[in-house]
Amino acid sequence: EPEVTQTPSHQVTQMGQEVILRCVPISNHLYFYWYRQILGQKVEFLVSFYNNEISEKSEIFDDQFSVERPDGSNFTLKIRSTKLEDSAMYFCASSAETSQAQYFGPGTRLLVL
Amino acid sequence: KQEVTQIPAALSVPEGENLVLNCSFTDSAIYNLQWFRQDPGKGLTSLLLIQSSQREQTSGRLNASLDKSSGRSTLYIAASQPGDSATYLCAVSRGHNTDKLIFGTGTRLQVFP
Repeated sequence: EPEVTQTPSHQVTQMGQEVILRCVPISNHLYFYWYRQILGQKVEFLVSFYNNEISEKSEIFDDQFSVERPDGSNFTLKIRSTKLEDSAMYFCASSAETSQAQYFGPGTRLLVL
Repeated sequence: KQEVTQIPAALSVPEGENLVLNCSFTDSAIYNLQWFRQDPGKGLTSLLLIQSSQREQTSGRLNASLDKSSGRSTLYIAASQPGDSATYLCAVSRGHNTDKLIFGTGTRLQVFP
C-alpha cells in the first residue's frame, strides 16, 4: 500500500541553524501538508500546498518557514533559523483531492538545543 | 474558532469490550471528519473519513458516526484487542477553500489482556 515517507526520522540541531525536513508524498496525490505536534499537545496545521504554491498557512508558519516541491516527488519544509520552541514532531501529509482523506507520514522528531 | 474536544482523555479496558470514543466540535459547519490512530512516537494512521453528508462509516471492527447538527462524532470499536492500544484522534475540516485539519486532544486507549 502506498505511504508517505519522511526523512530524517530524528534531527538534533543548534538554535539558529537551518533545517530541512523531507517528505515523499503518495505518488498520485496532488495536495500536500505539513503539521506539527509539540510534545503533549494537539497536532497543529502549518501549511497546505497545491499546484506549486501555498494554499493556506497558519499563524505559526512565519517568515522562518518555507516549503518547496523541488522535483516531482519530494516536498520539503525548511526552517531558516531554528528556535527552541520549534522542537516538535513534524508530520507531512498528502491527499488525492482537496477535502479527501489525508494520509500522514511517520514524522520527523526535531530537537532544537 | 473551531474547537475539537475528545472525551474521555484516557480509557483502560479489558480485552473483548466494546468501546465508544467521543469527539465534539463547536462549529457544525464542517466538510468532513477523519479519525486517526497514533501509536507512541509514531505517525498518524487514517482509520475512517466521514463526509458531512454521511451519517456513518464502517471499517472492520470500527464504526464512526457523525451528527453534524449537534457537533458530535463517535468511534465505536467492537471486541477490543490489546493491539488496539493507541491514541485515537479526531480531526475536522471546514471545506470552503480550506482543507486544513483541526485536531482534538485525543483519547489514549489501553486494552489489557
